[in-house]
Amino acid sequence: SYDLTQPLSLSVAPGQTATLTCGGDNIGNKNVHWYQQKPGQAPVLVIYRDSNRPSGIPERFSGSNSGNTATLTISRAQAGDEADYYCQVGDSGTEVFGGGTKLTVL
Amino acid sequence: QVQLQESGPGLVKPSQTLSLTCTVSGDSVSNDNYYWTWLRQPPGKGLEWIGYIYYTGSAYYNPSLKSRATISVDTSKNQFSLKLTSVTAADTAVYYCARALLYFFYLDVWGKGTTGTVSS
Repeated sequence: SYDLTQPLSLSVAPGQTATLTCGGDNIGNKNVHWYQQKPGQAPVLVIYRDSNRPSGIPERFSGSNSGNTATLTISRAQAGDEADYYCQVGDSGTEVFGGGTKLTVL
Repeated sequence: QVQLQESGPGLVKPSQTLSLTCTVSGDSVSNDNYYWTWLRQPPGKGLEWIGYIYYTGSAYYNPSLKSRATISVDTSKNQFSLKLTSVTAADTAVYYCARALLYFFYLDVWGKGTTGTVSS
């Protein structure tokens, strides 16, 4: 099975840039999607196909994918960005999620 | 505006079957651009993909569930459903239904989730 590795946690000061990573074998050859999940809420898609933002997602959210690492970058981090973030890829007819990164903005 | 709503018994006894339904509004489960998806999230843990179904009835599942999961679609009611057999406490989770775009399978619309508890 295909494994995705995300750091358990990341802290960033308000106004700074948060860089969240998702590691996988040759993940650069796959489409990576990112979700934001706040406590008690369903996940929300924030990046699809590596670097595309759905309507309504701020431009501060961006993504990239190359080699063995996909990256979600949140510029000018705000308190409202505090959440769990999950990456997702498809592999051989199944969908796989990373374990998630808890982002703290303080 | 597309909305998905999960429903079903919140409490199931061990070894029994968990049955959930997702009702779709603002779109049709017959829309050939989407797969209709079930996921779950155990308390304090991450997301797990259970499987998805196309309007034709073709379904794909997470191998880790070892054939305990069955997803079906009812186009007349605009619903799709999940049955999970032989449940144990490890199946206690928030269960989500979601819509996945064909070919890329990102999940652009989610239900709010429903809690499924396995307990005697």
